[in-house]
Amino acid sequence: KNQVEQSPQSLIILEGKNCTLQCNYTVSPFSNLRWYKQDTGRGPVSLTIMTFSENTKSNGRYTATLDADTKQSSLHITASQLSDSASYICVVTASGGSYIPTFGRGTSLIVHP
Amino acid sequence: DAGVTQSPTHLIKTRGQQVTLRCSPKSGHDTVSWYQQALGQGPQFIFQYYEEEERQRGNFPDRFSGHQFPNYSSELNVNALLLGDSALYLCASSLGRDSSGNTIYFGEGSWLTVV
Repeated sequence: KNQVEQSPQSLIILEGKNCTLQCNYTVSPFSNLRWYKQDTGRGPVSLTIMTFSENTKSNGRYTATLDADTKQSSLHITASQLSDSASYICVVTASGGSYIPTFGRGTSLIVHP
Repeated sequence: DAGVTQSPTHLIKTRGQQVTLRCSPKSGHDTVSWYQQALGQGPQFIFQYYEEEERQRGNFPDRFSGHQFPNYSSELNVNALLLGDSALYLCASSLGRDSSGNTIYFGEGSWLTVV
């Protein structure tokens, strides 16, 4: 069964600090991995997309890494801002005819001033 | 350029009733997917429409049905509503099916409360 596990479930940091969110998956065969930011009550917004051959992708202060061998990904947030407070969701899609994405439950990040 | 638009934004229904949610994809997109997101959970894939046909379906009962129109807009219908159907329903659109690096855009969702 395809699964995506994210850790930690929630995280509280001070403004200006860095943090790293983790994503482990068992989805196979692998097509792509995406990180989304979802503000409370809003739709998810895409941060990064990585395919099998990519091991790092940046979007401003967000940097995602992918290790396809260990089936792990991380999202690093640099110099956090209050507006980074949100849920961060890891989504992995399989290839080979079935394109149903598997969503993690998300990591809830709270940035305090 | 309008992104993905959904309507209504909020609605309240009674158990046993039926509901229809609507979605207009981002301009130029031809694929629409629907997701159910319960409070505190990640989105769960319901189904995907491409070329007016249901192409993929998640683990949802037949009470959940949909439709895609020639202009690529889509509807999600839920019959015989249960209290557990209360959730945020998200629509996402993309160009082509979710393969390689196509960006998927989500709407703001429709909040459904079943009482």
